[in-house]
Amino acid sequence: EAGVTQSPTHLIKTRGQQATLRCSPISGHTSVYWYQQALGLGLQFLLWYDEGEERNRGNFPPRFSGRQFPNYSSELNVNALELEDSALYLCASSWSDRDQAEAFFGQGTRLTVV
Amino acid sequence: ILNVEQSPQSLHVQEGDSTNFTCSFPSSNFYALHWYRWETAKSPEALFVMTLNGDEKKKGRISATLNTKEGYSYLYIKGSQPEDSATYLCASPNAGGTSYGKLTFGQGTILTVHP
Repeated sequence: EAGVTQSPTHLIKTRGQQATLRCSPISGHTSVYWYQQALGLGLQFLLWYDEGEERNRGNFPPRFSGRQFPNYSSELNVNALELEDSALYLCASSWSDRDQAEAFFGQGTRLTVV
Repeated sequence: ILNVEQSPQSLHVQEGDSTNFTCSFPSSNFYALHWYRWETAKSPEALFVMTLNGDEKKKGRISATLNTKEGYSYLYIKGSQPEDSATYLCASPNAGGTSYGKLTFGQGTILTVHP
């Protein structure tokens, strides 16, 4: 069974541009979570989608947005890129929105803003 | 405590040593405590999800305990091997009194096992 897949693996963008990151959850998982790991920091919660709706978001500006498609895959969009958006972006999925459900992570997209 | 905190930040041990590290989390409104292992160039992988006070879970040489009343969990590795080298993360939903569905991660403990 395929795990969580993310694309692209690496992305280089110029300040001010937009970046789009994609995530396909494990088959049967309806919840998708996005996390950011900036240099020197821990994993920071960005967004949670479940059944096509945004259920929760972390302390990030509105230029971080996303959506979840009917097949439960998800897209993270970062508008008006800033240098400090350079980070590893991890997507995770789980079979349930309950707190006891473990998260399965993808390998991440490394975004570099120059 | 409002956030999830882990100690130590890093740890170097020799092959065969046993080791342990700590995760502290908010004890109020406890729901669950997750442990993940993150090896370099790989994805974080779940080790344990713990929900009951006094719970103890084991997977091979790795075990974890949970104290929800005082808000801490210990992860133990018995007879460390070089392949145990990784960052160990703990996470709590609803840490800091925030809303449902959000896993708040600690900064992690970086374990290096020297042959």
